[in-house]
Amino acid sequence: ETGVTQTPRHLVMGMTNKKSLKCEQHLGHNAMYWYKQSAKKPLELMFVYSLEERVENNSVPSRFSPECPNSSHLFLHLHTLQPEDSALYLCASSQGSGRDTQYFGPGTRLTVL
Amino acid sequence: LAKTTQPISMDSYEGQEVNITCSHNNIATNDYITWYQQFPSQGPRFIIQGYKTKVTNEVASLFIPADRKSSTLSLPRVSLSDTAVYYCLVGSGTYKYIFGTGTRLKVLA
Repeated sequence: ETGVTQTPRHLVMGMTNKKSLKCEQHLGHNAMYWYKQSAKKPLELMFVYSLEERVENNSVPSRFSPECPNSSHLFLHLHTLQPEDSALYLCASSQGSGRDTQYFGPGTRLTVL
Repeated sequence: LAKTTQPISMDSYEGQEVNITCSHNNIATNDYITWYQQFPSQGPRFIIQGYKTKVTNEVASLFIPADRKSSTLSLPRVSLSDTAVYYCLVGSGTYKYIFGTGTRLKVLA
């Protein structure tokens, strides 16, 4: 238990569906992150929020839309996804940046049919 | 941003000491070196962090030479449960955490 929870743990959706992934951190951290990890590949940083402001957006397609309503919650809204978007989506938090340890949630295994 | 290079994979036997080296030739003055462990279908987990010389905690040691262009993660007496992917990261003041390909460690009985 890292103090970062993610729901749902597994999600299967069609290409025309709209769904959302939720992340919550109970650590009092200021920064939250979304990562994508495809099979046998390194983690890819998608979005970073610091104090509820987006500070990084690594050229992620617009079919992924993040939302950070407060410093404890982070959402990833999904719409019209493609099969190649199937992956493990990981949320993380840290106190600050750079040298600060990131704490990861268990991830959401997403399958797009 | 400092790029890191690690061996793709390593095999070891239970009870042996495992050393995984990471190269980070363009590490910046303020960068720290952090190692994470990841099991299949789980998020990475922090193992150890250091800036220079040697750091030790209850699970690993981290050796960093004076020029800081490389670092070595040392896992004493590995067990089957240490089979995982190990990532080396360097960073300081930005939010760009870059996970490379990592080193896939397989511990054999």
